Amino acid sequence: DAEITQSPRHKITETGRQVTLACHQTWNHNNMFWYRQDLGHGLRLIHYSYGVQDTNKGEVSDGYSVSRSNTEDLPLTLESAASSQTSVYFCASSGHLNTEAFFGQGTRLTVV
Amino acid sequence: TQLLKQSPQFLSIQEGENLTVYCNSSSVFSSLQWYRQEPGEGPVLLVTVVTGGEVKKLKRLTFQFGDARKDSSLHITAAQPGDTGLYLCAASPYGQNFVFGPGTRLSVLP
Repeated sequence: DAEITQSPRHKITETGRQVTLACHQTWNHNNMFWYRQDLGHGLRLIHYSYGVQDTNKGEVSDGYSVSRSNTEDLPLTLESAASSQTSVYFCASSGHLNTEAFFGQGTRLTVV
Repeated sequence: TQLLKQSPQFLSIQEGENLTVYCNSSSVFSSLQWYRQEPGEGPVLLVTVVTGGEVKKLKRLTFQFGDARKDSSLHITAAQPGDTGLYLCAASPYGQNFVFGPGTRLSVLP
């Protein structure tokens, strides 16, 4: 069965370190998204990609970057982790019509 | 400004009761989705509605898309503890990315 997987599930890092969260999907979807979920804010879009070599900023992109070198993967990098980036991160993918999104299980990131 | 509003924000009911949660906006959408998220997991798609006035049923869950395609409701009949979770609505404004509502957190007590 097709799926979308994130790794790691939990990560603790120190302020200032670079961190990369992995996202891999086998749906063969062109569209991939990264969200963060915080109490009181819901799901907020960080970055998204509509295909290989395409990346775009979402509403909360400062301090984050992504790259899309193939269809299956969209890694999210925190250039210099800050305590404000402590959150639960979700990766999602969808077909080109954006009628439904499939989510990974999330990565809980703690920056200390 | 939130593009999608959901109500109520929290709901705690006894097993066997019926409930309705709402998703509202001033914008028109090409489609609207409902997701359920359980603690420690990602949101899972329940249904997509695309036609104004459309009604879809998923066992004890009934979803309706408003005639003007600006709002939707989710009705649960005879709620069970397994229905506990965060219910999110999401929509795709024409030609744009998903937007998500803040969610309704449902607790069904045995």
